[in-house]
Amino acid sequence: KQEVTQIPAALSVPEGENLVLNCSFTDSAIYNLQWFRQDPGKGLTSLLLIQSSQREQTSGRLNASLDKSSGRSTLYIAASQPGDSATYLCAVPNSGNTPLVFGKGTRLSVIA
Amino acid sequence: NAGVTQTPKFQVLKTGQSMTLQCAQDMNHNSMYWYRQDPGMGLRLIYYSASEGTTDKGEVPNGYNVSRLNKREFSLRLESAAPSQTSVYFCASSEAGAGETQYFGPGTRLLVL
Repeated sequence: KQEVTQIPAALSVPEGENLVLNCSFTDSAIYNLQWFRQDPGKGLTSLLLIQSSQREQTSGRLNASLDKSSGRSTLYIAASQPGDSATYLCAVPNSGNTPLVFGKGTRLSVIA
Repeated sequence: NAGVTQTPKFQVLKTGQSMTLQCAQDMNHNSMYWYRQDPGMGLRLIYYSASEGTTDKGEVPNGYNVSRLNKREFSLRLESAAPSQTSVYFCASSEAGAGETQYFGPGTRLLVL
């Protein structure tokens, strides 16, 4: 059974700092890996999707990397802003049509 | 486009009561999902529908039923609510399978007394 772990569970940083969020998964036979953002009391918003054949994906100040063989992904946030404060979740399906397995998320606070 | 919509936004039930959570998407997606989110447990899949006319159990299906009414709508029914079903419920959809980007609704907060 696929298990997804995110460390740390919570992180607090000053504004302007670059930071890295970690995601690990137990079964490396993944189809892709997805990163989501969740604001308090809201639904999840997709940030990045990395296909299993890709090493990284970028969107603005966000860069996600994937190392399938080691079962790890990182989400890099450059020049953090208070508006980045949210919970970040990663998720993987084992194949194209099997459901996503989610990590429990990292709660990020960016202090002005 | 409204994306994924859910009704109601908040509901209080007494133990043993029944209710149906509604979900609709206007993106012409084939696949739809129901999750529950609990503190310390993360997001867990209840049921999903890979395509219109099909439904499958997820990780925590007990106490729930679903109906894929048409391509747009996917409802979740609690036949006899229990306090353990107090949670936040999210509906999501994707174009074709869980390997595609999933789009989430705003959630339904359910309290069972």
